[in-house]
Amino acid sequence: QKEVEQDPGPLSVPEGAIVSLNCTYSNSAFQYFMWYRQYSRKGPELLMYTYSSGNKEDGRFTAQVDKSSKYISLFIRDSQPSDSATYLCAMSAWGGSEKLVFGKGTKLTVNP
Amino acid sequence: NAGVTQTPKFQVLKTGQSMTLQCAQDMNHNSMYWYRQDPGMGLRLIYYSASEGTTDKGEVPNGYNVSRLNKREFSLRLESAAPSQTSVYFCAAQAHEQYFGPGTRLTVT
Repeated sequence: QKEVEQDPGPLSVPEGAIVSLNCTYSNSAFQYFMWYRQYSRKGPELLMYTYSSGNKEDGRFTAQVDKSSKYISLFIRDSQPSDSATYLCAMSAWGGSEKLVFGKGTKLTVNP
Repeated sequence: NAGVTQTPKFQVLKTGQSMTLQCAQDMNHNSMYWYRQDPGMGLRLIYYSASEGTTDKGEVPNGYNVSRLNKREFSLRLESAAPSQTSVYFCAAQAHEQYFGPGTRLTVT
């Protein structure tokens, strides 16, 4: 079993839809969770950073962590064509300079 | 404040040629990383450096060497390029989260 599993998609939705992106993980020690957005032919950029369980909201984006289920989600409300990108989850156990474990990414297309 | 910069942006090599990919960060972070990204494979860690003067192998180190020249710079060297090393290479610097450079697209023919 891989440490982090992420459905590669591709996921195609109409503009305005609510998008749910998910990752599952096996290491119960993980407590720092990140979502990165990667546009085509660009480097990944940090979108959301959360610690432990719970929700964090930033504009149209909500990151959710359920440590009991070892499951994290990224919700995008009112999706826009500019949200079309690949989304990668990443996580670590104790933060700091520890290496991150990445999912393989989910490719999202939002159609106008 | 440029963050993480990488040079070159594109490179074409012939099999057996050597080259060095350069990475620099202006965020004063201790840790730096080199990844390769291939379709369907996600980001794979090649080498990392937890601090100036230290380097460690990642998941796919074969065929590569690195140098942590100082706190700012972390270079990746291909001594004898092979077609299997055709990929997009990303450098990253880390405090808690990682910040990535724009990438180098390398083709080995």
